[in-house]
Amino acid sequence: QVQLQQSGPGLVKPSQTLSLACAVSGDSVSSHSADWHWIRLSPSRGLEWLGRTYYRSKWFDEYAVSLKSRITINPDTSKNHFSLQLNSVTPEDTAMYYCARGGSGYLDYWGQGTLVIVSS
Amino acid sequence: DIMMTQSPLSLPVTPGEPASISCRSSQSLLHSDGYNYLDWYLQKPGQSPQVLIYLSSNRASGVPDRFSGSGSGTDFTLKISRVEAEDVGIYYCMQALQMPLTFGGGTKVEIK
Repeated sequence: QVQLQQSGPGLVKPSQTLSLACAVSGDSVSSHSADWHWIRLSPSRGLEWLGRTYYRSKWFDEYAVSLKSRITINPDTSKNHFSLQLNSVTPEDTAMYYCARGGSGYLDYWGQGTLVIVSS
Repeated sequence: DIMMTQSPLSLPVTPGEPASISCRSSQSLLHSDGYNYLDWYLQKPGQSPQVLIYLSSNRASGVPDRFSGSGSGTDFTLKISRVEAEDVGIYYCMQALQMPLTFGGGTKVEIK
């Protein structure tokens, strides 16, 4: 059974960096058939895809164009997890953040969600 | 980016009655492999989204058979044959044809 367990702070100050991790069990982040996504949900923007990382003999990543200058998604094979870093946050980055597994045309497993509030 | 438009925004339903949600994409979701890359998700109160239907018409594992998906190209429909109280929540369609993944705005289903 695949499980995704999220961790990270729920409160971040403006201009600082949001950092979340997603620990994977029951699969490998180095799988050749899965990809690993970050998505957020906010009242103003609904569900918004942030980016993904995946391994196909080497590592690839893709990001939402609107965030490309601020976002990094990194795999950590030693811990079998992947992380999200979002720099220079503003109150508009306040949202529920989710990690999810994809790779078969849909997102079949999701993390439990982390509410991140950007406030001083 | 592919834009996804859902309707209605809100859907009050009576238990035992059918319900239907529509989703339209700004471009065809039909891939050269013959599949339409359109999924349906349900976010129940206090939970993460969960997949109900993938590739337009395939029920995900464990999803009751009262849920069905149909459509091709740019027009898709999720149907619930007989709504149950546990079906309340927000339903989203999502296109998986290309990155970025994009979602409909959601349809809130509530019991009358």
